[in-house]
Amino acid sequence: SYVLTQPPSVSVAPGQTARITCGGSDIVKKSVHWYQQRSGQSPVMVVYDDSARPSGIPERFSGSNSDNTATLTISGVEAEDEADYYCQVWDSPTDHLVFGGGTKLTVL
Amino acid sequence: EVRLVESGGGLVKPGGSLRLSCVASGTSFSGFTMTWVRQAPGKGLEWVASISGSSSYISYADSVKGRFTISRDNAQKSVFLQMNSLRVDDTAVYFCSRRADGESYWGQGTLVTVTS
Repeated sequence: SYVLTQPPSVSVAPGQTARITCGGSDIVKKSVHWYQQRSGQSPVMVVYDDSARPSGIPERFSGSNSDNTATLTISGVEAEDEADYYCQVWDSPTDHLVFGGGTKLTVL
Repeated sequence: EVRLVESGGGLVKPGGSLRLSCVASGTSFSGFTMTWVRQAPGKGLEWVASISGSSSYISYADSVKGRFTISRDNAQKSVFLQMNSLRVDDTAVYFCSRRADGESYWGQGTLVTVTS
C-alpha cells in the first residue's frame, strides 16, 4: 500500500517560516492536499492540488511538490497556526485515499 | 453555508454493529463523492471509505473491507456507514467529508466506542 511519511513534529518561532514535508514514492505524479487540524476541531484544507490555496486561507500558506517530497510552507508563522497538519493523496493503483501520519506544529 | 452533520455514534460491544449517518445541507449533493474518515483517540486521520455521487464507485480501506458498508440516499442528501463486526480498534471519531476542486467540508464527527 502507498505510504506518506511526515515528521512527527516541527517547531518554529512566531514570524519564522515552517516547512512540513510529506514523502512518498513518485509523489510528484500525484495531487497532494494538506489539512490543518486544531485541537478538538475538524480538519480544514489549507492547500489543494499541490500548491493551490482554498478561498479564505491566508497567503502565508503555500505548497510545492517535486521529486519524492511535497512540502507545506507557512511563512510568517502565527500562534494560531499551531495545529496538526496532514498531507493526503489519492492512490490510483489501489483506489485508496491515503493520509500522512501527521505533523504537530508547535509555535514557540 | 455548507454543513455536514454526523450522527449514530455510541458505545457498542466487540462484535456489535452501528449505523452512522451524515446529512448535508446548504449544497447540492448528488454530484459529489462522499468520504468517511476516522480518528482514533490521540491518533492521526485514517480514510475509511468513499462513494461516488451515483454510488457506482465505492472503495474501502483494507482495515474495514468486508465489515463496513458505505451507501447514500441522494434524495435525503445523506451518506451512511453500516459498521458490523466492530472491534476495539474501530474506536474513533468518525467524520464525513467532501472534497471537490478547491473546497473541502467536514462534519463535527461522531464518536464510536467499542468496548466490552
